[in-house]
Amino acid sequence: GEEVAQTPKHLVRGEGQKAKLYCAPIKGHSYVFWYQQVLKNEFKFLISFQNENVFDETGMPKERFSAKCLPNSPCSLEIQATKLEDSAVYFCASSQSVQGIVAGDQPQHFGDGTRLSIL
Amino acid sequence: ILNVEQSPQSLHVQEGDSTNFTCSFPSSNFYALHWYRWETAKSPEALFVMTLNGDEKKKGRISATLNTKEGYSYLYIKGSQPEDSATYLCASTSFGNEKLTFGTGTRLTIIP
Repeated sequence: GEEVAQTPKHLVRGEGQKAKLYCAPIKGHSYVFWYQQVLKNEFKFLISFQNENVFDETGMPKERFSAKCLPNSPCSLEIQATKLEDSAVYFCASSQSVQGIVAGDQPQHFGDGTRLSIL
Repeated sequence: ILNVEQSPQSLHVQEGDSTNFTCSFPSSNFYALHWYRWETAKSPEALFVMTLNGDEKKKGRISATLNTKEGYSYLYIKGSQPEDSATYLCASTSFGNEKLTFGTGTRLTIIP
């Protein structure tokens, strides 16, 4: 599609439950990024993918967070045993490659985000 | 500068007036500077990407400049309109690292 599609728009989970978020990137975009937006507009990078391969996962809390981008499926971000501090808006973005490599000067196209509320 | 910083945090501008705000970023290992326009509950919208010192970009009434040597960028809005009300985010990327490092944004409110 022409837009990054994120589902669901809102997700409510009790503390300790699992949460799974989905992202369909723009068709033809090779790169997918996940960002966590918490207080005061702080967008924190979590992980990026080049097609189905993890490109950079330096922002991921490894204990409970995992992500996948499988062929012919939406990408997913899963949080096991959620905590109150996981409450945030999770944005997915996609971008085109330039000559087959990720280029930091390509605009990233964002979805509308998934608002995750942990009670 | 170690982080991406934006000022002011918020700004109220009378309709029809022009305004500008600032983004400061680490100049070492700098690759590109991105500006996004973001309305709450919507997706951030890409405005500009700049890479070279002295770059200037323009889109309608909005323009931006880049100084990579001193590590800052300005965003200008000429003749503000109510639809310009939004949060304006800047983000930088470094060589070999495509992830966006965001500032905390400037929240612009246009007063009719």
